[in-house]
Amino acid sequence: AQTVTQSQPEMSVQEAETVTLSCTYDTSENNYYLFWYKQPPSRQMILVIRQEAYKQQNATENRFSVNFQKAAKSFSLKISDSQLGDTAMYFCAFMKRSGGGADGLTFGKGTHLIIQP
Amino acid sequence: SQTIHQWPATLVQPVGSPLSLECTVEGTSNPNLYWYRQAAGRGLQLLFYSVGIGQISSEVPQNLSASRPQDRQFILSSKKLLLSDSGFYLCAWSVPSKGYRNSPLHFGNGTRLTVT
Repeated sequence: AQTVTQSQPEMSVQEAETVTLSCTYDTSENNYYLFWYKQPPSRQMILVIRQEAYKQQNATENRFSVNFQKAAKSFSLKISDSQLGDTAMYFCAFMKRSGGGADGLTFGKGTHLIIQP
Repeated sequence: SQTIHQWPATLVQPVGSPLSLECTVEGTSNPNLYWYRQAAGRGLQLLFYSVGIGQISSEVPQNLSASRPQDRQFILSSKKLLLSDSGFYLCAWSVPSKGYRNSPLHFGNGTRLTVT
């Protein structure tokens, strides 16, 4: 079974600062996917960024980037130039490579990120 | 484009009453469908998933059940609610893939269930 650990229950930074959210995972799988989801106060789950385990290059999406360390099983999210709208719960998630089945996501417990004006 | 609808948005039910939450997906065929529960202060827990009509897999044994009567309809039910069933329930879908590139999950807006 997979486990995902987010060791920071809550973080707070000033607007425009850069913040890094940590995530570690444990798995015996070699091929898998990692995701960061954002859950704003509206409670909707929004996909922020994804990383395929076979890719060495770190994924980036505008102000969001990841630092994927496969050997260390670490998958941190960096948010640059943080904005008030980035305030949300952030969940790290793991998904096995699917052979046609329906592998759901294994989520961490989340980090509550607060962007201060 | 694909959309997912989940209702009701909020529900307050007494202990022992039945439950029915509905989720429908539009714009795609034969999606994988999921029910997740998010308890206060905790991450998301996968409850059920389905790869097709009438095919339901349960991840966590409990007094909840799921059904998929139509290709794009997924229903979460209970005959008698418990206090511990309170939480935020999210429906999600993904495109099934037999290849390497899996699609991520796309979530509905959720249902906040309070059992009193």
